[in-house]
Amino acid sequence: DGGITQSPKYLFRKEGQNVTLSCEQNLNHDAMYWYRQDPGQGLRLIYYSQIVNDFQKGDIAEGYSVSREKKESFPLTVTSAQKNPTAFYLCASTPGGFPHEQYFGPGTRLTVT
Amino acid sequence: QQQVKQSPQSLIVQKGGISIINCAYENTAFDYFPWYQQFPGKGPALLIAIRPDVSEKKEGRFTISFNKSAKQFSLHIMDSQPGDSATYFCAASRPGNTPLVFGKGTRLSVIA
Repeated sequence: DGGITQSPKYLFRKEGQNVTLSCEQNLNHDAMYWYRQDPGQGLRLIYYSQIVNDFQKGDIAEGYSVSREKKESFPLTVTSAQKNPTAFYLCASTPGGFPHEQYFGPGTRLTVT
Repeated sequence: QQQVKQSPQSLIVQKGGISIINCAYENTAFDYFPWYQQFPGKGPALLIAIRPDVSEKKEGRFTISFNKSAKQFSLHIMDSQPGDSATYFCAASRPGNTPLVFGKGTRLSVIA
């Protein structure tokens, strides 16, 4: 049963704490992406990785960090430096050479109070 | 140059009607134009996609129309149903493994 899993579905944290969101895929996809979604803002790219041990900043990388130690995994850390971290976070992956075929995970809704 | 502009932001259509969502782009290097559908609380899913050498692509009730000279493309949902109520995103991709450029989305509500 292939796909992308994100855990947990809901996450609550206190302001000032770092939090790591999990993203795992068993589709053997090369590229992985993290997006943030806020009402009326569409999908904003945070970070992406096209290959293991390499990643690039997206449009809104400030206050976030990622790692890509394994092909299957692309965790996102929301640091205390992120001014407004409450949002819906989506992970996606694409097979090599097909950037338009993004497969999205179910998302994690992060609430920071 | 990298933007994809999508309109309208929200749309209400009667059941059985036609829903039309429009997108425009500037970068002529874009070579693939997918549409994604997202239900509340879920991740988006690829709905239909078109290359710029094709003027129209139809899959069931969903049709993409593409106007290369005007740099515009649109999604038509025929016989719209309440189950089509979702947010729709247009997108564009360039050759190579660069990230998709997404429009800001259109929230469609189909009412009975």
